[in-house]
Parts: sequence; structure tokens; C-alpha cells
Amino acid sequence: EIVLTQSPGTLSLSPGERATLSCRASQSVSSSYLAWYQQKPGQAPRLLIYGASSRATGIPDRFSGSGSGTDFTLTISRLEPEDFAVYYCQQYGSSPITFGPGTKVDIK
Amino acid sequence: QVQLVQSGAEVKKPGASVKVSCKASGYTFTSYGISWVRQAPGQGLEWMGWISAYNGNTNYAQKLQGRVTMTTDTSTSTAYMELRSLRSDDTAVYYCARRRGPNDYWGQGTLVTVSS
Repeated sequence: EIVLTQSPGTLSLSPGERATLSCRASQSVSSSYLAWYQQKPGQAPRLLIYGASSRATGIPDRFSGSGSGTDFTLTISRLEPEDFAVYYCQQYGSSPITFGPGTKVDIK
Repeated sequence: QVQLVQSGAEVKKPGASVKVSCKASGYTFTSYGISWVRQAPGQGLEWMGWISAYNGNTNYAQKLQGRVTMTTDTSTSTAYMELRSLRSDDTAVYYCARRRGPNDYWGQGTLVTVSS
């Protein structure tokens, strides 16, 4: 099983700042099958990034993903008020599919 | 537009079973899989498994093997997830999601509470 570790656990930032979230895998994620999701309280997760760096339909270009192998990054170039949420990474290249524990981005 | 609409909240006693439905619309149901993911209160996301709506093949999380069954009804474009021998730690919001590799569309979630 591929274990995903996300850091930091909480990121306290102000609107307009840049957010950099990390996701590290215990072994290489095949074909960069790594996704990022955003979840707000009381809502279902929303797909942001798939294939490590491809934005999902309708996702603003301030969200970008990068990385390969075992190290992946989600960057939010300038935080908007609606971006304060919890972000999860997911690997879907190997069974069982696994999620990271999440990074909470909150308002400083 | 793609929509996944799940059945309503359930309250069950320990040892009982629950069956959650997920009705899909806005796309060809048999062209995608359906994943099930759950989230205990205040916790992260846990993958439960997925089913191919094309041929019914399933892949379950090992910890749930023997207690979970995922099925589909292609005539109504509905997926089902049944969990048996419920325990208190099965209390969670259960989500279905379309599987296209990643999960690109999600249902609204179904709260299942297990309590005596």
C-alpha cells in the first residue's frame, strides 16, 4: 500500500499570499497518477488536479500541480477567500487507492 | 450536467446493515466506474472500493472485505453500497464518486450513524 504524507498539517496564510502544499509517497506513484482535492466544511471533495499537473474542468489557473515519483506539490499562486479549505492528495495508480491525511489552509 | 444523487441519512444499530444508493445522470453510466469513499466525523477520506458500471467488476479495500458489497443497476443508472455488521466506527459520511481514474464528480454524501 502506498502511504501518502502531507505537509504541513495546517498552513496559516492571508488572502493574496502564495500557498505551497506537499504530498510525499512511500513509493513511486505510477504514471504520475496523483490527484488533489479541495474540501470545504459540509461539502463533498472537489477534484482540482489529476495526473499530477492537469487542472480539472473549471478549476482556476491559480491552482497548479507539479512533481513526479514520490514528491508532489500543489501551489495556489494567490489565495482567494474561497480557497481556505482542506486539501487532500490521492494516488490512484496502485491498489488500494489511498489518500493523504490532508492539509488545512486557514486564514492568518 | 453530470450529477450523482445519494439516498438520505440512516441511523442503524450495531450489527445491522445499511445500503446506500447513488443515482447517476448526465453521462453514459456504463462508461465509468463508481468509487465509494467515507469520512468519519472530523477525519480524512477513506477509500472503500470501486465498481465498474460496465461489467460489475469490483475492487474493495482489504479492511472491508467480507462486509461490503458494491453493485450497480444499469437500467436505472444507480450504484449501491451495502455495508454489513455495522460497528460504531462505521459512523461516517459515505460518498459515491464517478471514477475516471481520479474521481471527477461526487455525490452529496450520506450520513450513516451507528448507535445503540
